This record gives sequence, structure tokens and C-alpha cells, in this order.
Amino acid sequence: SQQGEEDPQALSIQEGENATMNCSYKTSINNLQWYRQNSGRGLVHLILIRSNEREKHSGRLRVTLDTSKKSSSLLITASRAADTASYFCATDAGGGADGLTFGKGTHLIIQP
Amino acid sequence: DSGVTQTPKHLITATGQRVTLRCSPRSGDLSVYWYQQSLDQGLQFLIQYYNGEERAKGNILERFSAQQFPDLHSELNLSSLELGDSALYFCASSAYWDPLTGELFFGEGSRLTVL
Repeated sequence: SQQGEEDPQALSIQEGENATMNCSYKTSINNLQWYRQNSGRGLVHLILIRSNEREKHSGRLRVTLDTSKKSSSLLITASRAADTASYFCATDAGGGADGLTFGKGTHLIIQP
Repeated sequence: DSGVTQTPKHLITATGQRVTLRCSPRSGDLSVYWYQQSLDQGLQFLIQYYNGEERAKGNILERFSAQQFPDLHSELNLSSLELGDSALYFCASSAYWDPLTGELFFGEGSRLTVL
């Protein structure tokens, strides 16, 4: 079963707007990672946030983590057409013994 | 370029057949992971090897098997193929034993079509 679930499943916004995606998970985690996947390509790591961190930034990306709510959000500011992709959160499902498990992703479309 | 190489990129075969997918990890990475991605199941973790030893097992069918060789490349063998095995198979690598420690580097995938 999947540990992380992204919401919404799909999101379409205008170029220049901000995009926010959410991830909820079920059990306690050590860290949470976000990945991007362009259509039919391999996943690319975006950011890792540890369970003792609340917020992390990387360029136009901002990730928050709320362990009390078992949720994380990924904010992409000033979106560009090149940000069109699927975004996945990844967590451990039981201490890493089951590998890194991914949600079904949020498909983000940036309209020019 | 992630540094992870997967071959073949595309593969079309018939039901009942057997195929082997190959993965060369990033230079220096000891962990190799295999994932299956399909529209209905999403990205499913299959198996992880670390320095030649199986470290974690996910939703891998008994018809599937994998191994990691002394030179750290890995192969995923899929046998008695069924239509439902059609998917994109990804290999990823990392420097760590624990996938939680750092990022995974993904290859571009092998697209398997079973007819």
C-alpha cells in the first residue's frame, strides 16, 4: 500500500502563478522527499525534508512538513511552462524496510 | 543525466515470454532499486539491493527476480509475462544502504509492452 498520497490529483494554473501540492502520509516518518517526473521520463529528486524540520527552501521550491498532521506541502512559486510535470512525495513505509514508497502524484499543468 | 543507465529503452514481447532488464547505477552507488510504474498502480517498489545483497523487498511477483552483480550492475528478470506486466520499469541508485538517508537517482526507464 502507498504511504504518501498527493492532493490534488491534477492542477492547472497560469504561468507566473504559484502552485501548491499536498502530501498526506499514514505512519511516522524519518524524512520525506519530493520528486518530479516529466512525461515518460525518470524521476528527479527535488528536495528532502527531515522529520525535525518544518520548512525547507530550494530556489523557487518551498516544502513544509507538519508531523502532527502527517502532511507536507510543496509550493512552486512563479511557475513556468517547464514546471509542467507530475510531482510525487516519497516516504518510508515502516522504517525503510519496504523501500521508499511513492504516492500517485499530482499532475501539474502550467498554461502559457 | 542522472548517471543511471537502463537498457533496453523499449521492449515488445508476447505473453508467456521472459525478458531481462539491465541497470547500471551511478558511479560509486552501492544501492540499486527497481520500481514498476503503471497507470492504474502508480509507482510500485519492487526490490532493493545493496552491494550485492538483497536489502528490501516490495510488491515483487514470484515470476520476477533480480540480482546485483559484483560490478554493481543489476538485472530484473520477468518471466511468464502477462498483459498486466506492461509498464515502465525504473531502476534507481543511491549511495546509501537506507533509502531514507538521501536522494535516489533514477534512470530513464525500460518500457515493456506485452502483447
